[in-house]
Amino acid sequence: DTGVSQDPRHKITKRGQNVTFRCDPISEHNRLYWYRQTLGQGPEFLTYFQNEAQLEKSRLLSDRFSAERPKGSFSTLEIQRTEQGDSAMYLCASSITGTSVIDEQFFGPGTRLTVL
Amino acid sequence: GENVEQHPSTLSVQEGDSAVIKCTYSDSASNYFPWYKQELGKRPQLIIDIRSNVGEKKDQRIAVTLNKTAKHFSLHITETQPEDSAVYFCAASPDSGGGADGLTFGKGTHLIIQP
Repeated sequence: DTGVSQDPRHKITKRGQNVTFRCDPISEHNRLYWYRQTLGQGPEFLTYFQNEAQLEKSRLLSDRFSAERPKGSFSTLEIQRTEQGDSAMYLCASSITGTSVIDEQFFGPGTRLTVL
Repeated sequence: GENVEQHPSTLSVQEGDSAVIKCTYSDSASNYFPWYKQELGKRPQLIIDIRSNVGEKKDQRIAVTLNKTAKHFSLHITETQPEDSAVYFCAASPDSGGGADGLTFGKGTHLIIQP
């Protein structure tokens, strides 16, 4: 499968625990995005990387959220001290940038987080 | 920041009829406007996009129009078919110079095609 992959697909955790999600983008894609989607809403942008550089992180929901892309390939999203309000689908997307063309963001299948 | 409004939230049309979904945006710096289709339990998939240097784009039964002055864009689906039933999201993004920044999505339109 050459598309964007995410792991795990489902995560159930207890309030207060830390969770980490992984995203593997399409191999030649240099941009990687994280979104959160709650039921009945559109995806909400959280952060994105170009290669290993995090270009935007002010939209992360709180300081409990952090993301990394250490080698410019896969990325991880960590939520510390989870709260019930963090329950949502976490989507990853990737794209490849040209010189002057904005390219399509391809989405992964998402990780569904349930916080009990 | 950018704010995208989408209407209607639900749209029911007879099979074979046309469907129109409208979006408005607030940030004049936005210049990339994609539309995504999301089936239940599936990932969003791009169906068409438009950039600010064009006013209209068509791909078979799907077309998108853009009015930058009024800051609105619309999705048009003609000759609707049962497989068009899904949730459709519009989105907007500025181009920071190397590609799209994060997309700001509308709240979605649940399109129902009645047989």
